[in-house]
Amino acid sequence: SQQGEEDPQALSIQEGENATMNCSYKTSINNLQWYRQNSGRGLVHLILIRSNEREKHSGRLRVTLDTSKKSSSLLITASRAADTASYFCATVYNSGGSNYKLTFGKGTLLTVNP
Amino acid sequence: GAGVSQSPSNKVTEKGKDVELRCDPISGHTALYWYRQRLGQGLEFLIYFQGNSAPDKSGLPSDRFSAERTGESVSTLTIQRTQQEDSAVYLCASSLERTGRGYGYTFGSGTRLTVV
Repeated sequence: SQQGEEDPQALSIQEGENATMNCSYKTSINNLQWYRQNSGRGLVHLILIRSNEREKHSGRLRVTLDTSKKSSSLLITASRAADTASYFCATVYNSGGSNYKLTFGKGTLLTVNP
Repeated sequence: GAGVSQSPSNKVTEKGKDVELRCDPISGHTALYWYRQRLGQGLEFLIYFQGNSAPDKSGLPSDRFSAERTGESVSTLTIQRTQQEDSAVYLCASSLERTGRGYGYTFGSGTRLTVV
């Protein structure tokens, strides 16, 4: 399975601290994406990093990608209580012909304590 | 529309009944996915539509599950003879992704299905 695996499964930090979540995957990818989910409903796309990129920033988010280790990390700096959510990594890979498939890991539950 | 719309938002059904879940993707999005998420779990891939190509049905858990999509518009996920283990949130996502250029996916708010 291409499914990514996040680490840790759960993370609890204090407001103002940085949060780092990791993701590993198994085969070659086209791009890797991170999503956030509040209260078990729809996911929100946070950031996308292509396979030829190594680092990307968006506001307080920093994503790195190491294709040699098949891993990615998501860093949230200066965390806020409102960042409390589940975070998922998702990989896009060629599943045959011109089809590109999106698969998700199991997620990291981040709790930011005020 | 502005976002991905799913209906109904919540559905309670009796074991053995059939249910139909609907997803309206963003106009112009060729890619459409259905996922299942059980409480506290990750997203389980069900089916993937890409334009007019044959769908990838490899994630459907049994022949009780089926999905249709007309062109690049609405999709319906049908579960026949529902079982209690079908209880979950069913999520739909759409994207401009077509050739691996790299687009994010927009999710609907999901349908929470409860089989009693």
